[in-house]
Amino acid sequence: SQTIHQWPATLVQPVGSPLSLECTVEGTSNPNLYWYRQAAGRGLQLLFYSVGIGQISSEVPQNLSASRPQDRQFILSSKKLLLSDSGFYLCAWRGDRGDTEAFFGQGTRLTVV
Amino acid sequence: AQSVTQPDIHITVSEGASLELRCNYSYGATPYLFWYVQSPGQGLQLLLKYFSGDTLVQGIKGFEAEFKRSQSSFNLRKPSVHWSDAAEYFCAVGVEAAGNKLTFGGGTRVLVKP
Repeated sequence: SQTIHQWPATLVQPVGSPLSLECTVEGTSNPNLYWYRQAAGRGLQLLFYSVGIGQISSEVPQNLSASRPQDRQFILSSKKLLLSDSGFYLCAWRGDRGDTEAFFGQGTRLTVV
Repeated sequence: AQSVTQPDIHITVSEGASLELRCNYSYGATPYLFWYVQSPGQGLQLLLKYFSGDTLVQGIKGFEAEFKRSQSSFNLRKPSVHWSDAAEYFCAVGVEAAGNKLTFGGGTRVLVKP
């Protein structure tokens, strides 16, 4: 069966520090991968998606970047965190068919102080 | 581009009462529609989905949803709410375009009174 791992679960970082969040998927190949951010009391905003190794599409301009160095690995990064980067970050994967559901990781709570 | 609106940010319901969560979407063709539930601090779990056929779909945990093309709606219902249904609920629309992305609504937080 497919599983998705996301870590760390919680992170407190000072303003200006770097960030690296990692997500890995098991049990499937060539998944579509996604990073979402959920701000307090708000919905899910799609930040990045990837349809293959090295292929990254950005949905919103921001202080963050994403990379996909391996088929089932998706990384969210920042060189210098801002206070506004605080939030709940969710990684997800989905197949290519439109009727397939997205599977989500457990999320990372990032607090920038 | 597609969009999803969930008009109710919060809903409070008594345990045992019925629940209906509203979802309206905007998309030019027949969309793929999903309802997810999120417990505090957790990821999202799929409740049900619609992509064709019968417009009334059954999901897990006793939930159902009805697709109404004329109203561009996909409302979620449960006849009798349990305390464990307290969570945040998200409606999403999917399009088979580049990236096969899901667009989510703003979510509805459900509180259950004893």
